[in-house]
Amino acid sequence: DAMVIQNPRYQVTQFGKPVTLSCSQTLNHNVMYWYQQKSSQAPKLLFHYYDKDFNNEADTPDNFQSRRPNTSFCFLDIRSPGLGDAAMYLCATSRRGRVNNQPQHFGDGTRLSIL
Amino acid sequence: QKEVEQDPGPLSVPEGAIVSLNCTYSNSAFQYFMWYRQYSRKGPELLMYTYSSGNKEDGRFTAQVDKSSKYISLFIRDSQPSDSATYLCAMSRRMDSSYKLIFGSGTRLLVRP
Repeated sequence: DAMVIQNPRYQVTQFGKPVTLSCSQTLNHNVMYWYQQKSSQAPKLLFHYYDKDFNNEADTPDNFQSRRPNTSFCFLDIRSPGLGDAAMYLCATSRRGRVNNQPQHFGDGTRLSIL
Repeated sequence: QKEVEQDPGPLSVPEGAIVSLNCTYSNSAFQYFMWYRQYSRKGPELLMYTYSSGNKEDGRFTAQVDKSSKYISLFIRDSQPSDSATYLCAMSRRMDSSYKLIFGSGTRLLVRP
């Protein structure tokens, strides 16, 4: 009964070769987030979608982009991965109302390795 | 100074012990407080979610929020080896039209059989 599903769980790519990570959700949540988490560090927010509205964090490199074709799916595109982009990438979802925010629910992540 | 401070541990306790995990924060604008548990190579799993100061209990877990001291805690009673994981505190505040979640760096807990 997984609710936030990330594919693949493990991804290996070559330095500079574009890669796409995917996330799907069965919770019908209106907000989807992408985080980067490096070893023994806190998850770092890259960007999020509130419905179709895209919100980029100020310090997210231009190399990282995202697409949300519908409510259920969201993609993370890394155009030219560098060695420093090796990390766990986490997708999360939440339901945001007009006056409050519900907690975020995470997928199990995609661990990205760069050769 | 980080907005949210959390001791990285590791914290090692015997099975059955009461565990106390803590975070401090500097921004009084934080409104929602959460604890996540993260097993190795898995995503964070929501354990507790609170809005106001006070205690919230769920089974063996109790979350405590003290907004006046900017201090939150998670207590685990009768700890089990299966509780061994990294525990992340998180808190959110409103930024323009969105809510941003700020995590602590996590405390690694080891419960010895």
